[in-house]
Amino acid sequence: DTAVSQTPKYLVTQMGNDKSIKCEQNLGHDTMYWYKQDSKKFLKIMFSYNNKELIINETVPNRFSPKSPDKAHLNLHINSLELGDSAVYFCASSPTATSTDTQYFGPGTRLTVL
Amino acid sequence: DQQVKQNSPSLSVQEGRISILNCDYTNSMFDYFLWYKKYPAEGPTFLISISSIKDKNEDGRFTVFLNKSAKHLSLHIVPSQPGDSAVYFCAIRIRAQKLVFGQGTRLTINP
Repeated sequence: DTAVSQTPKYLVTQMGNDKSIKCEQNLGHDTMYWYKQDSKKFLKIMFSYNNKELIINETVPNRFSPKSPDKAHLNLHINSLELGDSAVYFCASSPTATSTDTQYFGPGTRLTVL
Repeated sequence: DQQVKQNSPSLSVQEGRISILNCDYTNSMFDYFLWYKKYPAEGPTFLISISSIKDKNEDGRFTVFLNKSAKHLSLHIVPSQPGDSAVYFCAIRIRAQKLVFGQGTRLTINP
C-alpha cells in the first residue's frame, strides 16, 4: 500500500549513458514533483506536473526530461549522464497544486554516475 | 544564494529534554513555512507548518515558532523521544507549490 513509489532504489551507471527513474503514486493526487538532493544535502525542486501539465520547470539542464503518461506517474529521463548528476532524486505528490497542500515524498533513488 | 538556511548540521539532545531546531530565511515576503522530518533511506515526511499570519502553531509535542522581524523559524520538540532522531528540514513556500528547503539538521536523541 505504498503511497509514492520509485524505481529503482539504487542506480549505478557510466558517464554518457541514458537512464530513467520511474515514479508512481496511488493517492489519487493531481500534482507530482521531482526533487534533487545534492551532495551538500540541499533538496531542490526540478519539475512539477499538475494533471499531466508542466507547471514548474526550474533551471535544469535539458538533458533532464520529465514525462507524465498519466496523473499517477511521473518519470524522469536523463540523457548523457554526467558525474555531477550523482545525487538522490525524490519524487513527491500533492492533492492539488494549491500552495498549502502537503507534499508526500517517495523513498528516493540514489543515482551514482561513474 | 540560499534563501533558507539551517546553520546547525547536527544537534544532540537527552531523551525527555527539549529539542530546538532553527531556521533562517532571507525574504520577508515569504508567507508559508513548513518542517519535514526524514529517516534514513526514506523520503521526507511533513511534520508541521505555519502561516505568516501566526507566530506559533502547536501539534502535540511539536511547536513551530515564527519570528517575522528576525526572519527566523524554530521547531520545538518536547519531550524529545528516541524516535525523534532524524534529519529535520525547514522549507518555505516561494510561490504556488514551489518549496525551497534548508540543508537539514540531524537530530540525535540520546537515552
